[in-house]
Amino acid sequence: EVQLVETGGGLVQPGRSLKLSCVASGFTFSSYWMYWIRQAPGKGLEWVSSINTDGGSTYYPDSVKGRFTISRDNAENTVYLQMNSLRSEDTATYYCARGKPYYFDYWGQGVMVTVSS
Amino acid sequence: DIQMTQSPASLSASLGETVSIECLASEGISNDLAWYQQKSGKSPQLLIYAASRLQDGVPSRFSGSGSGRDYSFSISNVESEDIASYYCLQYDNLWTFGGGTKLELK
Repeated sequence: EVQLVETGGGLVQPGRSLKLSCVASGFTFSSYWMYWIRQAPGKGLEWVSSINTDGGSTYYPDSVKGRFTISRDNAENTVYLQMNSLRSEDTATYYCARGKPYYFDYWGQGVMVTVSS
Repeated sequence: DIQMTQSPASLSASLGETVSIECLASEGISNDLAWYQQKSGKSPQLLIYAASRLQDGVPSRFSGSGSGRDYSFSISNVESEDIASYYCLQYDNLWTFGGGTKLELK
């Protein structure tokens, strides 16, 4: 069974950093693209970042480019999202998802990030 | 960047009715379109990929169609368990979601 478990969320002040983790199980992690998607409270879905199978290619929308960094550790079956210079508009539930390869077929349960002073 | 215009934003249906949702891309996306269902408080679930292919285990009352810029999603014989929000996703050039459609019972 495919499982994706996100951790690392919480309350953080504007301008500070936070690192999310997503541990995968139930599939050959190194063979799949991985993604982060977020959803602000009461709002729609927004793609946040993508990483290819070996971590050599990463992609971001303009809203987080230069502030967020996606990475992966294939030995640990884990994908990360390093979030720097956080803003109030980054407040959201963050989901990791598996890619097949370019649409998302399995999602984690999500982790909440609140940016507030 | 590709923009996805999804309509309607909300939909009210009776049990057994057929409903449709549209997504219009700002440029052609070569059928690189998926549809997701998100129930309240839950993670999104994949229903359709490649515009019209049903994900394994998804009931056949869900369907998708379209080409070029124009795509649609339908639910025939709406059931109470279908009450949710629905989103389209284009994955032809980076990734963009539609704004979502909230389906409610009439």
